[in-house]
Amino acid sequence: AQKITQTQPGMFVQEKEAVTLDCTYDTSDPSYGLFWYKQPSSGEMIFLIYQGSYDQQNATEGRYSLNFQKARKSANLVISASQLGDSAMYFCAMREGYNIGTDKLIFGTGTRLQVFP
Amino acid sequence: GAVVSQHPSRVICKSGTSVKIECRSLDFQATTMFWYRQFPKQSLMLMATSNEGSKATYEQGVEKDKFLINHASLTLSTLTVTSAHPEDSSFYICSARARAVYNEQFFGPGTRLTVL
Repeated sequence: AQKITQTQPGMFVQEKEAVTLDCTYDTSDPSYGLFWYKQPSSGEMIFLIYQGSYDQQNATEGRYSLNFQKARKSANLVISASQLGDSAMYFCAMREGYNIGTDKLIFGTGTRLQVFP
Repeated sequence: GAVVSQHPSRVICKSGTSVKIECRSLDFQATTMFWYRQFPKQSLMLMATSNEGSKATYEQGVEKDKFLINHASLTLSTLTVTSAHPEDSSFYICSARARAVYNEQFFGPGTRLTVL
């Protein structure tokens, strides 16, 4: 079964507008972590934001915020004031496993975001 | 942020040859390193997890005899693709994690392998 689901293969947004990238996850582990990464065309994975399963507040990092709805098992990424440089692939990931050394990241299929002027 | 390098960034080789990819953490000690493979327009798939001082743990379906992983030190891990074939052509990405920064993996820039 898919553990991380990103249902939007592609999204368009106009510069300076906000955009939400969807991510749902599936786990029975009470302790987990959720991540968002950006992958530009050059290929490197850039860490954006992290949300722990026990965190009470939604994570925020500059223009990025994570809309964490635990009961719905969703962890949507919100990018405010989009910039042309935000055009890239965006991956949602979940840390599965609790113990250091045996845990691992499971990635979704990604969403390609294109920002237009 | 922490820096992870990979070398080479791009390699083209003939079928049947072996290729070694290095992953280095430049400014921190990486107690755990991960190796991923990404086919075009697809997601990252974890191949193996390497903890310093122990053998790598391979994911189901990954041939350990074909993809040799060595975590030689706290700053270096290598992936050797033995007897490479065209179907091994892919983008290989490593990531490294420091003991004190559990929630964050730092990714290398990736290595594009093309097997002719």
